[in-house]
Amino acid sequence: DSGVTQTPKHLITATGQRVTLRCSPRSGDLSVYWYQQSLDQGLQFLIQYYNGEERAKGNILERFSAQQFPDLHSELNLSSLELGDSALYFCASSVGPTGGYEQYFGPGTRLTVT
Amino acid sequence: GENVEQHPSTLSVQEGDSAVIKCTYSDSASNYFPWYKQELGKGPQLIIDIRSNVGEKKDQRIAVTLNKTAKHFSLHITETQPEDSAVYFCAARTGGGADGLTFGKGTHLIIQP
Repeated sequence: DSGVTQTPKHLITATGQRVTLRCSPRSGDLSVYWYQQSLDQGLQFLIQYYNGEERAKGNILERFSAQQFPDLHSELNLSSLELGDSALYFCASSVGPTGGYEQYFGPGTRLTVT
Repeated sequence: GENVEQHPSTLSVQEGDSAVIKCTYSDSASNYFPWYKQELGKGPQLIIDIRSNVGEKKDQRIAVTLNKTAKHFSLHITETQPEDSAVYFCAARTGGGADGLTFGKGTHLIIQP
């Protein structure tokens, strides 16, 4: 158990809908990273927050957004969902502000768009 | 941006033998290289990492080597056990504007009894 929690575990929704995924980092960690894992694209970095501020952006679509709250939990919002958004979404947390610190992954949220 | 290539995609070894997984990276500015193990239905688990100022690191049966000149790094697992069966991912961190990890495509390691 990494200490990172994610809810929900599974999410099934229809195209065009909007969903919110939630992540709580390990105690003491200030950074939260979001990754998408799919069969064709593999594991891809989406976005990072550090202590409430956006810190780095990867391959995140404009339809996707995230935020980190004062209690350090983070939410990833996915809107106008398409079939191709079906994937596993992981968050990871680390203690420091940059990617050079150890990142610990949560168990993931499996999103199915029908 | 960074590109990480990982080989092989599948590796089958006899229990007790050694396994080696290799990765190459493209950006010479990359300075942090973690390895993750992912079991079915679970999130990636950090098993070992190495930074660019170090050539080798060991933790019990697991070791990682880094060759900065050739831009490749490898994971070595000795005395493999059934519980080592999983998908292993290498990753690299470059920094700059996109400071997340860039992952390889993964290696499915199968330990044959």
